[in-house]
Amino acid sequence: GAVVSQHPSWVICKSGTSVKIECRSLDFQATTMFWYRQFPKQSLMLMATSNEGSKATYEQGVEKDKFLINHASLTLSTLTVTSAHPEDSSFYICSARDAGTAYSEQYFGPGTRLTVT
Amino acid sequence: AQRVTQPEKLLSVFKGAPVELKCNYSYSGSPELFWYVQYSRQRLQLLLRHISRESIKGFTADLNKGETSFHLKKPFAQEEDSAMYYCALSEKGAQKLVFGQGTRLTINP
Repeated sequence: GAVVSQHPSWVICKSGTSVKIECRSLDFQATTMFWYRQFPKQSLMLMATSNEGSKATYEQGVEKDKFLINHASLTLSTLTVTSAHPEDSSFYICSARDAGTAYSEQYFGPGTRLTVT
Repeated sequence: AQRVTQPEKLLSVFKGAPVELKCNYSYSGSPELFWYVQYSRQRLQLLLRHISRESIKGFTADLNKGETSFHLKKPFAQEEDSAMYYCALSEKGAQKLVFGQGTRLTINP
């Protein structure tokens, strides 16, 4: 089946530094990937849609200069949290849509827990 | 705007009892509806999509456009069904998903 990986699985960083999270589709091509944020005991909140070879589309209220997204290949999207602050601490999840199917279903990564101290 | 509502945050039933997780949506066009499940310490995974009209792990879900609902049902719950369940909607032909708040299902022995 379709597998999506994320790296790292968890990261601790100091306030003011930047952190990069990678999302890879391992056995399929993904022209579109998605980045979500999940707070404890809450649902997934879509942050942005990452399109291969073009700019990401951000949801309302998400700062594009703070959450930089790059989707340079059909199997890799990266999310960089710039100048991280403690309020950015969260669980970040990516998903990918198989470009070879007509369905809208997404395959999810295991998530990255970010803690900003 | 698209919206997905799962009215129950928590649902607890006994093993062998029927289970129904409710999902209502608001969308004026032709939606695609999904159920995703997240077992403890695992990633979110697709359980059902309405266009397939399939039964997975004994679960079924029927899209009722009149009631704008897509409830998930299973006639006899099993302990391994304990998990977090999310209903999600996608605009037909679009790419992004809108998730409900999720229902935590607990099956008691």
